[in-house]
Amino acid sequence: AQSVTQLGSHVSVSEGALVLLRCNYSSSVPPYLFWYVQYPNQGLQLLLKYTTGATLVKGINGFEAEFKKSETSFHLTKPSAHMSDAAEYFCAALSSNTGKLIFGQGTTLQVKP
Amino acid sequence: DSGVTQTPKHLITATGQRVTLRCSPRSGDLSVYWYQQSLDQGLQFLIQYYNGEERAKGNILERFSAQQFPDLHSELNLSSLELGDSALYFCASSRTESVVEQFFGPGTRLTVL
Repeated sequence: AQSVTQLGSHVSVSEGALVLLRCNYSSSVPPYLFWYVQYPNQGLQLLLKYTTGATLVKGINGFEAEFKKSETSFHLTKPSAHMSDAAEYFCAALSSNTGKLIFGQGTTLQVKP
Repeated sequence: DSGVTQTPKHLITATGQRVTLRCSPRSGDLSVYWYQQSLDQGLQFLIQYYNGEERAKGNILERFSAQQFPDLHSELNLSSLELGDSALYFCASSRTESVVEQFFGPGTRLTVL
């Protein structure tokens, strides 16, 4: 069965530091991949997605992610963290076989001043 | 604001009871998805409707059911509630059957006492 693994349930960075949130997927067929952000008491907001084409995907709020087929990874990065980036981040994969979106367990990003 | 609305925002009820959660998709969206977010299970896909018809089913319990009405709003019915049903229930919508670009509502927080 397809699965999505996010390494690290909590990540803490200082303001201005690099943000790296890790995501690995298991699938024999490269799925579509997504990163969502959830701010407290809000729904999920799409940050970026990879479907086909360029493997480096740019999203909103300065985030980007790179699809690496050989590593089955889709890590999320941002060069410089802002306090407003503190939230929970979910990686998700869409199986072309089932049409279902599979979410990782989420990573809480803490940004320290 | 994603354009997806969910009511109520909070719901507190007792075990054994039945509740109905309501979702109105974005204007023009034909697909509605329901998700459950809990501390132990994470974010899980429950069910999808497209233009009134069930399209995909995830980890939805038999005590739960959903429907999409002609005006495209959807309701998720949860019956014989158990403590473990306490969770955030999200609705999302998309223009087509594809989940590639779906927009999430703010969620309904259900507490079963």
